[in-house]
Amino acid sequence: EIVLTQSPGTLSLSPGERATLSCRASQGISHTYLAWYQQKPGQAPRLLIYDISRRASGIPDRFSGSGSGTDFTLTISGLEPEDFAIYYCQQYGISPLTFGGGTKVET
Amino acid sequence: EVQLVESGGGLVQPGGSLRLSCAASGFTFNTYWMHWVRQTPGKGLVWVALIKGDGTTTYYADSVKGRFTISRDNTKDTLYLQMNSLRVEDTAVYYCARPVSGGWGPNHYWGQGTLVTVSS
Repeated sequence: EIVLTQSPGTLSLSPGERATLSCRASQGISHTYLAWYQQKPGQAPRLLIYDISRRASGIPDRFSGSGSGTDFTLTISGLEPEDFAIYYCQQYGISPLTFGGGTKVET
Repeated sequence: EVQLVESGGGLVQPGGSLRLSCAASGFTFNTYWMHWVRQTPGKGLVWVALIKGDGTTTYYADSVKGRFTISRDNTKDTLYLQMNSLRVEDTAVYYCARPVSGGWGPNHYWGQGTLVTVSS
């Protein structure tokens, strides 16, 4: 099983600041099968980024993904008030599919 | 518009069984892999199971293997999760989800979730 470790656990920032979230895999991710999700309280997750760096439909370009192998990053270039939420990475290259433990972005 | 609507959650005693359903609409159901993902209240996301569009191939998380069965009825556009030998640690909101495109992930469309509580 590929274990995904997200850091930091909590990121305290202000609107307008840049957020950099990390996701480290216990072994290399197959192909480019790494995604990022956003989740707000009481809501289902929302897909932001897939295939490491492809934005899902309707996702603003302030969200970007990068990385390769075992180290991946989600960057939010300038935090908007609606971006304060929990973010999860997921690998979907091999079963069992796995999620990271999440990073909470708070103000 | 893609819609996924889960049902069947509720309170069940340890060792009991429950069947969740997920009614799908707005897309050609039998051409997509489908997932179940769960989330313990206040905790992170955990992938549970996966089934191919024609129902011939399934995968499970180790924590549910042998106890849970994912299935689908493509004549009814409905996904199921049969949960047997339920444990307290199975308590969670269960989501069904559909991938972006023809492969098995990632999940672009999610239902609203159904809460399963395992408690005596």
